[in-house]
Amino acid sequence: NAGVMQNPRHLVRRRGQEARLRCSPMKGHSHVYWYRQLPEEGLKFMVYLQKENIIDESGMPKERFSAEFPKEGPSILRIQQVVRGDSAAYFCASSRGHGETQYFGPGTRLLVL
Amino acid sequence: KNQVEQSPQSLIILEGKNCTLQCNYTVSPFSNLRWYKQDTGRGPVSLTIMTFSENTKSNGRYTATLDADTKQSSLHITASQLSDSASYICVVTHNAGNNRKLIWGLGTSLGVNP
Repeated sequence: NAGVMQNPRHLVRRRGQEARLRCSPMKGHSHVYWYRQLPEEGLKFMVYLQKENIIDESGMPKERFSAEFPKEGPSILRIQQVVRGDSAAYFCASSRGHGETQYFGPGTRLLVL
Repeated sequence: KNQVEQSPQSLIILEGKNCTLQCNYTVSPFSNLRWYKQDTGRGPVSLTIMTFSENTKSNGRYTATLDADTKQSSLHITASQLSDSASYICVVTHNAGNNRKLIWGLGTSLGVNP
């Protein structure tokens, strides 16, 4: 049973470009969470999705950031017009039910030049 | 305000020694408390989970305790190994009606030296 998969593992973008991060949850998990971690800081919750629905996006910046979890395929975190401050590790986690143990992927490290 | 505070912020110990990490929370109502281990460059991995009625939970050399009255938890690591070097994060589930929310601590960075 494969764990949570994220790709790409590393992503380099120039300021103003778009970054698209993908997350495939564990088999049987329909709840997906995205977190951001700046260097030397803790995890910060961004958004929680359950198949095709955004349940809680209270941690998501109001502009340039969006997330989706379509019926088929991985969850996508999209960052438009990236800025240097977006450079961070973005982790995805999945769970079988909300409030249950979250299993994390290896993260995508975004570097904005 | 629902918060999770961990101490110390960082800790360095010698291989083979024991250590205890602290977690204080003000989350209410509370559902459960988890300890995660995050190795450098990797995603967190769950170590233990405790509900309101549990006082202690062990996972190998890791033992977590919970005092729901004082809203304190600790993670005790016995006979530390070099591979224990990581960040240890305390996470408390806030029971906000239909929307349970995880409140994350900032973690304790543990270094184990030979």
